[in-house]
Amino acid sequence: EIVLTQSPGTLSLSPGERATLSCRASQSVSSYLAWYQQKPGQAPRLLIYDASNRATGIPARFSGSGSGTDFTLTISSLEPEDFAVYYCQQRSNWPKTFGQGTKVEIK
Amino acid sequence: EVQLVESGGGLVQPGGSLRLSCAASGFTFSSYNMNWVRQAPGKGLEWVSYISTTSSTIYYADSVKGRFTISRDNAKNSLYLQMNSLRAEDTAIYYCARGDYGGIWGQGTMVTVSS
Repeated sequence: EIVLTQSPGTLSLSPGERATLSCRASQSVSSYLAWYQQKPGQAPRLLIYDASNRATGIPARFSGSGSGTDFTLTISSLEPEDFAVYYCQQRSNWPKTFGQGTKVEIK
Repeated sequence: EVQLVESGGGLVQPGGSLRLSCAASGFTFSSYNMNWVRQAPGKGLEWVSYISTTSSTIYYADSVKGRFTISRDNAKNSLYLQMNSLRAEDTAIYYCARGDYGGIWGQGTMVTVSS
């Protein structure tokens, strides 16, 4: 099973700041990695798929990069609605696995 | 509107069974692979099961293998999860999610396993 490790666990930032979230895989997942956003009481929402492709309707301030074992989600300038928990997920190998999540909170 | 709506959750005793349903609308259900993903209270996301468009390929997480069965009825635009031999650790919100990545998710249905 591929283990995805996200860091940091919590990111405390102010609106307008840049957020950089990391996801590291225990073995290569090529580019088969997605990022999701989840707000309290809501289902997750797909932000990025195949490491760097924005999903439909996702603002350009969200970007993804990386391949192999190291991936980054960047939010260029935090909006109030971006404070949430973010998960990465790989679909390279079965079982599909998620990272443990990074909480982006208001500083 | 593209939509997934789960149902069938509830309170069940350990060792009991439940069948979850996911009704799809607003898109061609038969063209998409589907998944079940769960989230225990206050915890992260856990992928549970996957089924291909024609049901020819099915996968399960080790934690549910042998106890849960995924199925679909393309004529009824519906996805199912039969859950048997339920344990306390199966307590979670269960989501259905469309595609190889979860491009569309339902709102979830809560399953509580407790005596």
